[in-house]
Formats: sequence, structure tokens, C-alpha cells
Amino acid sequence: QSALTQPASVSGSPGQSITISCTGTSSDIGNYNLVSWYQQHPGKAPKLMIYEGSKRPSGVSNRFSGSKSGNTASLTISGLQAEDEADYYCCSYAGSSTPYVFGTGTKVTVL
Amino acid sequence: QLQLQESGPGLVKPSETLSLTCSVSGGSISSSSYYWGWIRQPPGKGLEWIGSIYYTGSIYYNPSLRSRVTISVDTSKNQFSLKLSSVTAADTAVYYCARHHKYYYYMDVWGKGTKVTVSS
Repeated sequence: QSALTQPASVSGSPGQSITISCTGTSSDIGNYNLVSWYQQHPGKAPKLMIYEGSKRPSGVSNRFSGSKSGNTASLTISGLQAEDEADYYCCSYAGSSTPYVFGTGTKVTVL
Repeated sequence: QLQLQESGPGLVKPSETLSLTCSVSGGSISSSSYYWGWIRQPPGKGLEWIGSIYYTGSIYYNPSLRSRVTISVDTSKNQFSLKLSSVTAADTAVYYCARHHKYYYYMDVWGKGTKVTVSS
């Protein structure tokens, strides 16, 4: 099972919206609505931001939203803030033999 | 509030076995809705799922590591453990333990991580 493909970096100015893509296959993203997204600041553990493709855990800002089309999932951050600067990883269920496949990771820079 | 804490040696010699324990506090490891798992992150690289265990002992392993990995659970101590055998420098990473939802496959509670270096 190969890693999901994410852009290495995405940047935006404060207040703007950015979208991070996560491309998989019909064996993972395309076959299940079980994509999660994680935010990781340097030296810190990942934090769950989105689950089941578009649901936000309690306490996560509504500036974060998730969606899916075909084999590609997306995370959109609206009203970009300095604190959003971090690495972001997608993760998808990929079947019972390999339940978790992570994306390659995207570094978000706030200009 | 549920908390997870990894513990174990920070330095392991090549060809030896890496052993880590994750202690769960503020909740029971015997929850019916969750698996408990290990994820690692080599320096400067992305996340890699290693494997997950249910309190009954049901286990999933990453096929790429299956031959070297053993995950076990001790419900009496509210802990679960990782053993990775025949380690090389490529196993140098920060190792995280995390709680995984059994049905919706997301990881909602993470430990802070522990850095393990493989070196002689």
C-alpha cells in the first residue's frame, strides 16, 4: 500500500483560504469515506482536525473543513492565521489488511 | 481526560529489539470502541502506522513491518506495548502511541512521542 500523495508545501497570506489535496486510489480514499486529517506543529504530536472526511472534533475551529471527490480528499483552511503554520497529514482507511495509510505530508506556510 | 504516555529506552543497538510501553490514564484500555496503536516518524519525514491492538488481543500490523513487530496489551496495567526486532538505523524515529476509533478509523488521542535512536 503506497502513501497517499500530498503537495510538499502550500502557502497563503493571513485571512486567505488554502486547500491541501490528498490523492489516493480506488482502494483507499475512493472506496471509503474514512479520511482523517492531522495538524502537527514542530516537535509536537499530531492533532486530529477532521475525521470521516468532513467532521470536526470538538474544539477544532470551523475554519477547517474537509471534502472528497473520487480518489482525492481535500482540507481547506479559511481565514488563514499564523497559528495554522504547521505540517498537515491526511490518512485513509485502506481495508482490513492495512487499515491506515498516511499521506506524504504538506507544510503550510503563512506568509 | 484521557492521556497516553510512551516510555522506553531512547537508544537501541543495531540488530537488537526496540521495546516501548504506552500507559493509558484517565480512561480504560478495555473500551469497546477503540483500538490502541503505534505510529512512528523518522527525522524530517512523514508518519508511518506500525500496528494496532484491541483490548481482546485482536491485532492489525503494517505489512511492511509485520515480520519484525509484536504488539501486546496488558489490561490489568492499562498498558500496551511495542516490540520491534532486528532494528537498523532506518528504525530511528519518534514513536507515538495513539487511540484509534474502531469503526471510523481515526486517531483522536496521541501520546507526546518518544525519540528512539538506533546506534552502536
